Amino acid sequence: GAVVSQHPSWVICKSGTSVKIECRSLDFQATTMFWYRQFPKQSLMLMATSNEGSKATYEQGVEKDKFLINHASLTLSTLTVTSAHPEDSSFYICSARSTSGRTRTGEQFFGPGTRLTVL
Amino acid sequence: QKEVEQDPGPLSVPEGAIVSLNCTYSNSAFQYFMWYRQYSRKGPELLMYTYSSGNKEDGRFTAQVDKSSKYISLFIRDSQPSDSATYLCAPLTGANNLFFGTGTRLTVIP
Repeated sequence: GAVVSQHPSWVICKSGTSVKIECRSLDFQATTMFWYRQFPKQSLMLMATSNEGSKATYEQGVEKDKFLINHASLTLSTLTVTSAHPEDSSFYICSARSTSGRTRTGEQFFGPGTRLTVL
Repeated sequence: QKEVEQDPGPLSVPEGAIVSLNCTYSNSAFQYFMWYRQYSRKGPELLMYTYSSGNKEDGRFTAQVDKSSKYISLFIRDSQPSDSATYLCAPLTGANNLFFGTGTRLTVIP
């Protein structure tokens, strides 16, 4: 299967600071990348859909000025949590969808996730 | 009403047991029905998927969809300790949008 990496895997920061999370598709090109958030014992909630070279589409209730998404290339998308607060502490997971249509389902390949803890 | 409902468990079974994991959904637009497995502190990985109603078998795993009742099931035969994980059902719309259930945490006891 295709490989998606995330960096960092774990970050602890002080309240008010900004944190950038990278999502890379290592062996395939992805025109579309997705960012999810998962709180403990809860499901993955889609935050935004990111298309290469265009602005991200945010889900209802997700502040686009707080969660900045950049998808500058077919293999890299970044999520920046600006002025992070303790309530932003969560597990952030990205996924990437292949451009090659390797499956008819448009399968998403998930990264390993980034655990953010805001003190 | 949530798009996808899934019993969060936790579910504990002895090794070798048959496991049944279930979801219900409300959106008739769902076309594909995915099952993801997520180990602790890891991203989800696709286990298998079905299209429309019917069964699909892959080794010890069988996925079943009944669109008339909007019911999705995953069966695991001869469960192993390595099957211990959280299992998420995730229907997919034609526009390729995934909707995740809450996940069921499964523990297989040796």
